[in-house]
Amino acid sequence: SQQGEEDPQALSIQEGENATMNCSYKTSINNLQWYRQNSGRGLVHLILIRSNEREKHSGRLRVTLDTSKKSSSLLITASRAADTASYFCATASPGGTSYGKLTFGQGTILTVHP
Amino acid sequence: EADIYQTPRYLVIGTGKKITLECSQTMGHDKMYWYQQDPGMELHLIHYSYGVNSTEKGDLSSESTVSRIRTEHFPLTLESARPSHTSQYLCASSEWAGGNEQYFGPGTRLTVT
Repeated sequence: SQQGEEDPQALSIQEGENATMNCSYKTSINNLQWYRQNSGRGLVHLILIRSNEREKHSGRLRVTLDTSKKSSSLLITASRAADTASYFCATASPGGTSYGKLTFGQGTILTVHP
Repeated sequence: EADIYQTPRYLVIGTGKKITLECSQTMGHDKMYWYQQDPGMELHLIHYSYGVNSTEKGDLSSESTVSRIRTEHFPLTLESARPSHTSQYLCASSEWAGGNEQYFGPGTRLTVT
């Protein structure tokens, strides 16, 4: 079963604009992470937000987490052409046999036009 | 840049061949993972390991097998490749079992003809 679902599936914006991606999940989590994947490459970790945190910043990235709604959003401000990539959310299970494993969403394809 | 390596990067092979995808990391991480990803789709965990001599099957059933004889090495083997195995295989590692960030290798794109 799919834990994380992301929307939109694809987003196309102009350089300088902000990009917002959303992620929803179904079960309780230990933390939620966002990753970036350039075409045909491995994933790169962007930011981690714990279940007891509501907002986190890292450079041009801002992540929010609403555990009551089981949702998170990733905001990239002042986007650049180099931000063009797929973005995935991943949830970490709180414990039990799934402890430490990540479950990935379907991803959002972001295209930033120069 | 993560110190995790995968070879080969690309592999085209005929049906029935045995293949081994290599994954090595130099970060001393105990936890390692193999994911399968079809183009434009989410990652599916197929195997993971919490340390030497520890291997577990992931959420997606796979005909592949793995071994973990050394901390830094986590190879994946397909005894008899089939066209349905065509996919990208991503290896990752993480520092400890608390859901910490995972470091990914560049992936192996496998095509079985």
